[in-house]
Amino acid sequence: KQEVTQIPAALSVPEGENLVLNCSFTDSAIYNLQWFRQDPGKGLTSLLLIQSSQREQTSGRLNASLDKSSGRSTLYIAASQPGDSATYLCAVPRYTSGTYKYIFGTGTRLKVLA
Amino acid sequence: ETGVTQTPRHLVMGMTNKKSLKCEQHLGHNAMYWYKQSAKKPLELMFVYNFKEQTENNSVPSRFSPECPNSSHLFLHLHTLQPEDSALYLCASSLTRGSNTEAFFGQGTRLTVV
Repeated sequence: KQEVTQIPAALSVPEGENLVLNCSFTDSAIYNLQWFRQDPGKGLTSLLLIQSSQREQTSGRLNASLDKSSGRSTLYIAASQPGDSATYLCAVPRYTSGTYKYIFGTGTRLKVLA
Repeated sequence: ETGVTQTPRHLVMGMTNKKSLKCEQHLGHNAMYWYKQSAKKPLELMFVYNFKEQTENNSVPSRFSPECPNSSHLFLHLHTLQPEDSALYLCASSLTRGSNTEAFFGQGTRLTVV
C-alpha cells in the first residue's frame, strides 16, 4: 500500500531564503510524482510533474527532484517571497481498475515573512 | 484557471436539504474524481469515474450520490447530510492513457452543513 509523507508539516522562513520541502513514498514503483500548491480555502494548483524516468524538473524558482530508489522527492524554492506562502502537497498516482488514484501527502504549510 | 470548473464555490445547507455540486472540464480528460478535504486531514478520495463509468467508491456513505453523464461533467448529489460532512469538496480530472497522468483540480466547493 502506497503511503506518502511530507516533512516538515509547517515551516516559517524570512523572505529571500532558499528552502527545501520533502516528500517520501513507500512504494518506489511510481509512474510520476506531482507537486501542488494550495492557498487557504482554494483548490490545488499543479506546480510540477516529474516523470519516473526524470531526476529533476524546473519551473521558474521551483525545482523538483526525484530519487525513486530511496522513495524521496524534494521541492526546492529559491529566493522565497511572501507570495509563496501556501500549503504544498505532493501526490503519486496508483493505477487501479483502469484509472489512477492520486495518493496525497499531508502537506507542508509554508509561511514566508516579509 | 486550471480548466476544471466547480460550482457553486460556497454552499450552506440544512441537514434535510438536497443540493448538488457540479464540476466540468474541457481538457479532453477521461477520468474525473471527487475528493473531500476536512480541516487538518489529508485529502480523501471519494469517487473515480473513467469514461463516465464509476471505477472507485471509497466506502462513501450513500447520502453522497455521484453522477457522471459524460466525460466532461461530474455531479455530487447531497441529501440528509450531517454537520461532520462540512468540508471543501474538490473535483479533479486527468488522462489515464500514457505516462502523463497530470491531475488538474477545480477551486472547490466549501460546504457547510447546519
